[in-house]
Amino acid sequence: NAGVTQTPKFQVLKTGQSMTLQCAQDMNHEYMSWYRQDPGMGLRLIHYSVGAGITDQGEVPNGYNVSRSTTEDFPLRLLSAAPSQTSVYFCASSYFGGETQYFGPGTRLLVL
Amino acid sequence: EDKVVQSPLSLVVHEGDTVTLNCSYEVTNFRSLLWYKQEKKAPTFLFMLTSSGIEKKSGRLSSILDKKELFSILNITATQTGDSAIYLCAVSMDSNYQLIWGAGTKLIIKP
Repeated sequence: NAGVTQTPKFQVLKTGQSMTLQCAQDMNHEYMSWYRQDPGMGLRLIHYSVGAGITDQGEVPNGYNVSRSTTEDFPLRLLSAAPSQTSVYFCASSYFGGETQYFGPGTRLLVL
Repeated sequence: EDKVVQSPLSLVVHEGDTVTLNCSYEVTNFRSLLWYKQEKKAPTFLFMLTSSGIEKKSGRLSSILDKKELFSILNITATQTGDSAIYLCAVSMDSNYQLIWGAGTKLIIKP
């Protein structure tokens, strides 16, 4: 099993550009989530999904969109990148929400 | 407002020392508390605690939860340089599917 995979590992964007961060898991987990991690601030939840076709907002959803068309995939879209979105992004999954989550390796995003 | 507070924010000790990391919380409908270790990349799971007073142990690491006083501690004995990492604490609630995360404790072990 590959676990949780994320692509790309690193990305540089210009302000205003859009892009999609990919996340996939092969553990048949119902719950998937996206976090951003900034220095000194721990992990902040962006969006989450409790199953295919169901998504909801987390703590910091502005500027991001998600969809969940399959159990395996949970892409995160940046609509119009801003320097404030420079961060490390982690995707995580678990059987149920609020339980032990398995994290992907992260995507480091730099917005100029 | 639900919150999780970890202390200290950073800690530097020498190899062989014992360290205690703290995590306090204020949340509605507490369900569980989780500890993660984050080295250079993704956080990896250490412990999940749901019952007060029952110690979870894995090698040199142990953790205990006090639901009355609303905190947990993570102990690491005989520390090694490989224990250097950020240790994250998170709390889950019955009322929603989200984890509330602390800011983490950065632990540095000097040889």
